[in-house]
Order: sequence, then structure tokens, then C-alpha cells
Amino acid sequence: EAQVTQNPRYLITVTGKKLTVTCSQNMNHEYMSWYRQDPGLGLRQIYYSMNVEVTDKGDVPEGYKVSRKEKRNFPLILESPSPNQTSLYFCASSLGRTQPQHFGDGTRLSIL
Amino acid sequence: AQSVSQHNHHVILSEAASLELGCNYSYGGTVNLFWYVQYPGQHLQLLLKYFSGDPLVKGIKGFEAEFIKSKFSFNLRKPSVQWSDTAEYFCAVIVYSGAGSYQLTFGKGTKLSVIP
Repeated sequence: EAQVTQNPRYLITVTGKKLTVTCSQNMNHEYMSWYRQDPGLGLRQIYYSMNVEVTDKGDVPEGYKVSRKEKRNFPLILESPSPNQTSLYFCASSLGRTQPQHFGDGTRLSIL
Repeated sequence: AQSVSQHNHHVILSEAASLELGCNYSYGGTVNLFWYVQYPGQHLQLLLKYFSGDPLVKGIKGFEAEFIKSKFSFNLRKPSVQWSDTAEYFCAVIVYSGAGSYQLTFGKGTKLSVIP
């Protein structure tokens, strides 16, 4: 089954404790991206990747890092999380940047 | 900068009522347009898309959208909603901004509540 898998689904942690949210897709998609969803703000793109070793900033990249060492994986790294990064995060993938995206089930992060 | 406006934050309808959700974007060039739906507690799923051709696009579950270039709009419609359509709906626009670069922008979403 074609899917985008994110882990963990839920995480409560404290300010400053590094965390990584993993994202994996099994559709051989070249394009992957991360979004955060906040009430009243919709989805905002954090980072995206056009292919292996090719990443670029989206609209709200501050405080986040990503890597794309393999085509299927695109982890989101919060080196020093802060409470304003409490949000619902979605990973997505698609054949190309202009194509419809397949979304993961989301990761709800709470930073205390 | 590119922007996408969804005019209604929350729409409440009775079952069998007709639905129209507005989406306007600010860019006048070539665009790819999408509507996504997010059911409660779930991830976003594609409802329909427009790339080119017939401006009236049909999607899943009886939804359709019309691209009106002169109005920079891509409104979502359904003739008769069901309780199961209760969800949040997001319009998304991809514009070609030159030199092989594309910009993707989502609207802020419209919550639809359908009352049985």
C-alpha cells in the first residue's frame, strides 16, 4: 500500500531537548516536504526536498533542520525545540513539485 | 508574494444543502490548483486538481471545482452535502515563479460542519 509514514505520532518533550521526527515513503517519490499546521494559519511549509541531497527552505524554516540521504526518508530535526514549535506536523511526498502530494498521518508535538 | 484566500473560516450546513467554498489566489501566471480535504483526526487527502484543459474539474465523492482565470478563483462545489463531508477543506496553489522554480501555497482552510 502506498503510504507516507511518520513517527512518532505524538510526542511531549521539554524545551531544548533535541528531537527527530522520521518520515518515510514507499512510492519512490522524488519530492518530499514538511509542513506545520496551526489553528487559523493552515499549512505552512517548513522545508522541502527535490531529490536526494537536495533540500531547500520553505516559508517557516527557522528552528528546523532536514536531511535527505536516501530517497525514501526525510527526517525533520529540531535541534533545540521551543514552545512555539508546538504544532501538528505533516510530511508529504509527490512525484514532482507540481504534482498532488500524499500526506502522512501527522505528528503532534508539544514542547513544554 | 503569492497568497491564497479562503473566504469562509467555518461553514455550517444541513444535510442535502448545496456547498460552495471560495478560493482566490493572487498570482496571474500559470498555476496548478488543488483542493484537499482533512477529515477529523486524519491527514490531508486530495479531492481534485486542475492543471490545464476543461476548467470544470470533477473530483472524488461528488465534488467539483471551477477554475475562472479572470477571477483568479477555484471554488469548490457539491450539490448536496452529507454528514460525512464534515471536514476541513484546503485550497492549494502552485505557481511557476521562473528559472525552474515553483512556489506552493496553501489557504488557511475552511471548516465544514454538516448537521444531520
